[in-house]
Amino acid sequence: EIVLTQSPGTLSLSPGERATLSCRASQSVSSSYLAWYQQKPGQAPRLLIYGASSRATGIPDRFSGSGSGTEFTLTISGLEPEDFAVYSCQHYGSSRWTFGQGTKVEIK
Amino acid sequence: EVQLVESGGGLVQPGGSLRLSCAASGFTFSSYDMHWVRQVTGKGLEWVSAIGTAGDTFYPGSVKGRFTISRENAKNSLHLQMNSLRAGDTAVYYCTRGAYDSGGAIDYWGQGTLVTVSS
Repeated sequence: EIVLTQSPGTLSLSPGERATLSCRASQSVSSSYLAWYQQKPGQAPRLLIYGASSRATGIPDRFSGSGSGTEFTLTISGLEPEDFAVYSCQHYGSSRWTFGQGTKVEIK
Repeated sequence: EVQLVESGGGLVQPGGSLRLSCAASGFTFSSYDMHWVRQVTGKGLEWVSAIGTAGDTFYPGSVKGRFTISRENAKNSLHLQMNSLRAGDTAVYYCTRGAYDSGGAIDYWGQGTLVTVSS
């Protein structure tokens, strides 16, 4: 069973700064099956990235995903006020869907 | 516009049963895999079940044998029958749609329905 570990747990940054979020898989996974989501308080998650690096429909290009094997990264190139939220990675494999525990990006 | 609206949540005693439903609209329901995903307040997301377009079903070990996912394509409806409920099943349950040709990603989420298992 794949376990996804996200770090850091909380990232404190100022608007305009660059955010780098990590998602580590317990074993090597195909990048085709790695996704990222954003969730704001009281709202359902929103798909940001699929296939490790493809942006979902309507997602601004300040959001980018990268990585392979066991290490994946979500980068927000310049934080906007609406980007402060919780971000979760997710993997699909062997008919199982697994989520990381999330990284909270908060205003410093 | 894609819409997923859950119903059926509420308070149930340990060992009890509950049936969640999801009304889907704005897309060809029968053409998409569907999932239930849950979230304990303040915690991470947990995948609960999936059903493919052919009716094939999938569950994690934590709910296998207790939960049953089903779909009614004629009514654009998704269901989750939950039996032998435990305190650990307390969470917001989201009805979600599997994104087409996107490597298992989930592209639409309902607003969720709260299930509380408590005596």
